[in-house]
Formats: sequence, structure tokens, C-alpha cells
Amino acid sequence: SQQGEEDPQALSIQEGENATMNCSYKTSINNLQWYRQNSGRGLVHLILIRSNEREKHSGRLRVTLDTSKKSSSLLITASRAADTASYFCAPKETSGSRLTFGEGTQLTVNP
Amino acid sequence: DADVTQTPRNRITKTGKRIMLECSQTKGHDRMYWYRQDPGLGLRLIYYSFDVKDINKGEISDGYSVSRQAQAKFSLSLESAIPNQTALYFCATSDGQGPGEKLFFGSGTQLSVL
Repeated sequence: SQQGEEDPQALSIQEGENATMNCSYKTSINNLQWYRQNSGRGLVHLILIRSNEREKHSGRLRVTLDTSKKSSSLLITASRAADTASYFCAPKETSGSRLTFGEGTQLTVNP
Repeated sequence: DADVTQTPRNRITKTGKRIMLECSQTKGHDRMYWYRQDPGLGLRLIYYSFDVKDINKGEISDGYSVSRQAQAKFSLSLESAIPNQTALYFCATSDGQGPGEKLFFGSGTQLSVL
């Protein structure tokens, strides 16, 4: 099954800075989703970008998708300490019916 | 009340014991999933069910079984627990409506097998 690979594995920034996380995948997708996980909690859906979209915004989140490079990025602007969490991308295969997850990026935002 | 509820939240058990983790949902979704999360390995799919009569194995089903008792209930069993099944287990649901479906997760069950 398709599985996104997030990069970097860990990212530490100061409050107010922007955070960028990247995701690469292997095959054709229908859409790509990003999720957040606070420590020890369940994942929460953040944003979905369809294969025919190149960029999408939701509040302080900006997601891009480059299907030719099979990659996506998640940008969090003006980060806050509360953004500290793990972030996962989940590519949805064109032919698949399930979402699979990579290992995530651990983001730490220092006050 | 949470839309996807997992019980128990924590469980410590011994090798060889039978364990059941339960998941119930009030979202009215047909699709339910069990994942496990290990440090450094991300989430891996154990079993999934697209309706009450449909059960499918995921990436790592060995040593596990499931039961879909009703649309709202999906249980995961470890018939004879072993230490490498120590992990954080998540139940998730989705509505299966088209390619834009997204997952809703429970809060997880931390299982420790001694």
C-alpha cells in the first residue's frame, strides 16, 4: 500500500517562526491528507488536497502538492507552542481504499 | 462525549493472556479500522471493516483477530498476548463517501504486555 514518507523526522523552532514539513510518496494518488497527533492522543485530520489541486489554505496552514514530483509540503505560519505535535501525511492511492501513514514529523515549538 | 471511544485507555497484562480492546462510535460511519503505533514505525493497519459483514486483514494481522458486532462496534482481540504487541492501539472510522473521506480517531489504548 501507498505510504507517505515525512521529512524531517524532527523539527524544533521558536514561537512565531514558520514550520515546513515535507512528504514524498510513490504512486498515483487521488488525494493526500495531513493529520496531527498530540502526544499520546489520536490523530486529528487537518487538511486534504486533491490530486488536481496545487495549493490549499486553512487558517495558518498551507499545503502544496506536486504530483509530478510525488511530493507535498505542509507549512504552518506564525507557529505557537500549541502546534507542538507530530504531523503525518497520508496519501490516498487512486486504486486503493485505505489510508496508510508514515512515521511523521515531530514538531517542537519553543515558547 | 467522544465520537470514537476506545476502552480501556490503558492495560497491562502478562504474556499468554487473552485481551480484548473495544471501540464504539456514534458517527454513524460504516468503515472502521484498527491501527497500532510503535515509536519510529508510525501507524500500521491491523484490520479494517467496511461494513458489518466485511472484515479485511491489514498489514500486520498475525496474532490479532477482530469482531464487528454492529455498525457502531469493532473489537480487537489478542488471543495470546506477547511482549512485542506492546504498543499504542487506535481505532478509527470513516464514512467511505467518495475519494475525499477522512479518518476520525479514538484516543487510543496503551497496551503493555509483560
